[in-house]
Amino acid sequence: GEDVEQSLFLSVREGDSSVINCTYTDSSSTYLYWYKQEPGAGLQLLTYIFSNMDMKQDQRLTVLLNKKDKHLSLRIADTQTGDSAIYFCAVLREDSSYKLIFGSGTRLLVRP
Amino acid sequence: DAMVIQNPRYQVTQFGKPVTLSCSQTLNHNVMYWYQQKSSQAPKLLFHYYDKDFNNEADTPDNFQSRRPNTSFCFLDIRSPGLGDAAMYLCATSREAGASTDTQYFGPGTRLTVL
Repeated sequence: GEDVEQSLFLSVREGDSSVINCTYTDSSSTYLYWYKQEPGAGLQLLTYIFSNMDMKQDQRLTVLLNKKDKHLSLRIADTQTGDSAIYFCAVLREDSSYKLIFGSGTRLLVRP
Repeated sequence: DAMVIQNPRYQVTQFGKPVTLSCSQTLNHNVMYWYQQKSSQAPKLLFHYYDKDFNNEADTPDNFQSRRPNTSFCFLDIRSPGLGDAAMYLCATSREAGASTDTQYFGPGTRLTVL
């Protein structure tokens, strides 16, 4: 089945860029998502990318997709303390179930 | 402007005492999902409804049931909560189940504590 992996923890200084990485196994995945979860809250959809794209930019967020290596990244420019949260990568499984498969999340800590 | 609403936000129940969690949506989406998320883990899909069609995940325990009386509401019933069922329960919706319209929108979650 699909496996999605992320590093567990990332710490950056305020104002620096953050890069959160994700790898997945199912090459047929067509939609890949990034969700943000603040403490005690639900998941907030940040952005998504379709598999025929290499890059998508949305204000401070840049998503890069390397389909050959099955590698997805989320870059946050000018990281702020309010960006501290857990970031989940998720891929859409393209079988009859249309399930979202989540990674285990990367905890981003932004230091002042 | 809340689109996916979950009530209550925090629920405390006793071991073995049935509990119901509620989700409602204002998006008129066809699909509603229930996820269980334990501490420091990824959300785990329990089941989903496509309209009135119920789709259970193979590894969801029988202790978990769901009802969807209409498009807007979906309930998660835990018949006999155990200590291992303490978790955040997330409801999500999507317009369809597949392709570009499958983007899932999540509610804020209900944190369940089992004493």
